[in-house]
Amino acid sequence: DAGVTQSPTHLIKTRGQQVTLRCSPKSGHDTVSWYQQALGQGPQFIFQYYEEEERQRGNFPDRFSGHQFPNYSSELNVNALLLGDSALYLCASSLSLGLYNSPLHFGNGTRLTVT
Amino acid sequence: ILNVEQSPQSLHVQEGDSTNFTCSFPSSNFYALHWYRWETAKSPEALFVMTLNGDEKKKGRISATLNTKEGYSYLYIKGSQPEDSATYLCASLAEDQFYFGTGTSLTVIP
Repeated sequence: DAGVTQSPTHLIKTRGQQVTLRCSPKSGHDTVSWYQQALGQGPQFIFQYYEEEERQRGNFPDRFSGHQFPNYSSELNVNALLLGDSALYLCASSLSLGLYNSPLHFGNGTRLTVT
Repeated sequence: ILNVEQSPQSLHVQEGDSTNFTCSFPSSNFYALHWYRWETAKSPEALFVMTLNGDEKKKGRISATLNTKEGYSYLYIKGSQPEDSATYLCASLAEDQFYFGTGTSLTVIP
């Protein structure tokens, strides 16, 4: 049973560039959430996708966008990269029906460095 | 934006010692409290999901309690082992999103 997989593992980009991160959820999960963890901080919620639509959004600018595909996999896109976007980006999948009592299943993350 | 706080920030204990951490969260609009263990080079792994005031959960040597009225949860580890070394994160579900603390980093010295 495959868990949550993320790609790539590491990425180095230049300020102003655009980046796409990818996530495949755990088998059987239909909801994908993205989190940003900056150095010394806890994971911060970016947004959540369910049924190919953004359902919830955290306090992130419109430069952060996403997509969910019919197979429940998801992409996170960040435009006009800033140095402050350097962070570990975590994808988590879950069952939508168990939002309150179903744990999040995380991938290993993508480490993004913006220079 | 909800403020979830964890203490201590880091902890070093000897093998065999028992220890505990605290997670504080706003008690209003509370829906659930999650605990995760995050080992180096791995992904965060769920330990407990707690929803009711007074909840107590146990998994082996690790247990957790929840007080939703005063807004705190304790995580206990009995007889710490080196394999317990990890960062322990708590997350409060409120307003349809999870708010994470910054974690408690535990190092168990053999």
